[in-house]
Amino acid sequence: AQSVTQPDIHITVSEGASLELRCNYSYGATPYLFWYVQSPGQGLQLLLKYFSGDTLVQGIKGFEAEFKRSQSSFNLRKPSVHWSDAAEYFCAVGGVSAGKSTFGDGTTLTVKP
Amino acid sequence: DTGVSQNPRHKITKRGQNVTFRCDPISEHNRLYWYRQTLGQGPEFLTYFQNEAQLEKSRLLSDRFSAERPKGSFSTLEIQRTEQGDSAMYLCASSPPIRDRPKGYTFGSGTRLTVV
Repeated sequence: AQSVTQPDIHITVSEGASLELRCNYSYGATPYLFWYVQSPGQGLQLLLKYFSGDTLVQGIKGFEAEFKRSQSSFNLRKPSVHWSDAAEYFCAVGGVSAGKSTFGDGTTLTVKP
Repeated sequence: DTGVSQNPRHKITKRGQNVTFRCDPISEHNRLYWYRQTLGQGPEFLTYFQNEAQLEKSRLLSDRFSAERPKGSFSTLEIQRTEQGDSAMYLCASSPPIRDRPKGYTFGSGTRLTVV
């Protein structure tokens, strides 16, 4: 069975500080990995994805994530956070042939001025 | 590309009533997914279609839930005899054909259901 764990329910950072959101996954084969962002009352927007190749992937809004197979992790990073980044962030895992993705329970990011 | 459209945005219904939600995916996307999201949790998979074929249903989808995608375009999700536990955000997403699958999902804004 596939699963995703996001250990941090809530993170607060100061504007301009760096950010790292953790994601650990469990999947029996080569995974597809995703990060999505959700603003209050809205659907989810895809930030970035990993399928194969370079383990450091770049996404929109200045985000990047690193796939580490040995640690079953796919952590999201941003070097300098902006107030507009405050939102909920979801990590998800899916398979090459599976249609569905399994999501973590999310990390809520608060940005202090 | 007009995005994924969901209607209605909000629905308040009395317990025991039936409700139906609609999702219009991106036109060139052949896969359509339904997820349910409750407060403080990530989206939970309900079902998905490839064209008009329903390929997988979650065990979460009780007999009171039914989804259709009759012509491989829009989809409807119906909940019969609603219960308070059905209160949630219902999210629809679509994705391109297999050759383009690495693009991930495009989500709609969701339909928030409140059962009173």
